[in-house]
Amino acid sequence: AQSVTQLGSHVSVSEGALVLLRCNYSSSVPPYLFWYVQYPNQGLQLLLKYTSAATLVKGINGFEAEFKKSETSFHLTKPSAHMSDAAEYFCAVSARYSSASKIIFGSGTRLSIRP
Amino acid sequence: GAGVSQSPSNKVTEKGKDVELRCDPISGHTALYWYRQSLGQGLEFLIYFQGNSAPDKSGLPSDRFSAERTGGSVSTLTIQRTQQEDSAVYLCASSLKDTQYFGPGTRLTVL
Repeated sequence: AQSVTQLGSHVSVSEGALVLLRCNYSSSVPPYLFWYVQYPNQGLQLLLKYTSAATLVKGINGFEAEFKKSETSFHLTKPSAHMSDAAEYFCAVSARYSSASKIIFGSGTRLSIRP
Repeated sequence: GAGVSQSPSNKVTEKGKDVELRCDPISGHTALYWYRQSLGQGLEFLIYFQGNSAPDKSGLPSDRFSAERTGGSVSTLTIQRTQQEDSAVYLCASSLKDTQYFGPGTRLTVL
């Protein structure tokens, strides 16, 4: 069984400040991990994914996430927030070694950027 | 097309009516998924299709919901006798391997 917990339904940071969105997962098998972003009135867009290569994964728009097995975490970070980063962010997990399996999503974190 | 497309983009219907939502996956993708996103909620898995295998229907909330995928490509999600609690954005995604690509969604409003 797999699950994802995103800590904080709403995070607000100042423009230029560090962005940290927290995600913890539970998985009975080695996981694939994902971060998706959803801008207002748009579909989900893949930010980055972890599929067992490097534990530090770099994605689009300057975001990165680090897979920490010991902490069962996959937190998303960005050194300096931009106003355009305001969106909903979803962490997700699926089972590795499965050609296709459903993704289990977290409940999402809304990121607001203060000028 | 280059991405997953869904139609209609918006659907307003009256309680008790049936609706059909369509998803065109990325060409060549073998897996297709439906999710529901209610206002202020996360994504709720509904159903997925993988090749010719029997679909995983474990997320369908009631027997009013059904989906089919014809010819391994286009999929239709049908909701019968719609209820107000069915109002949500219905998202479709397709994948070849580990990454799912999402369509823009269909916003369903049941009056």
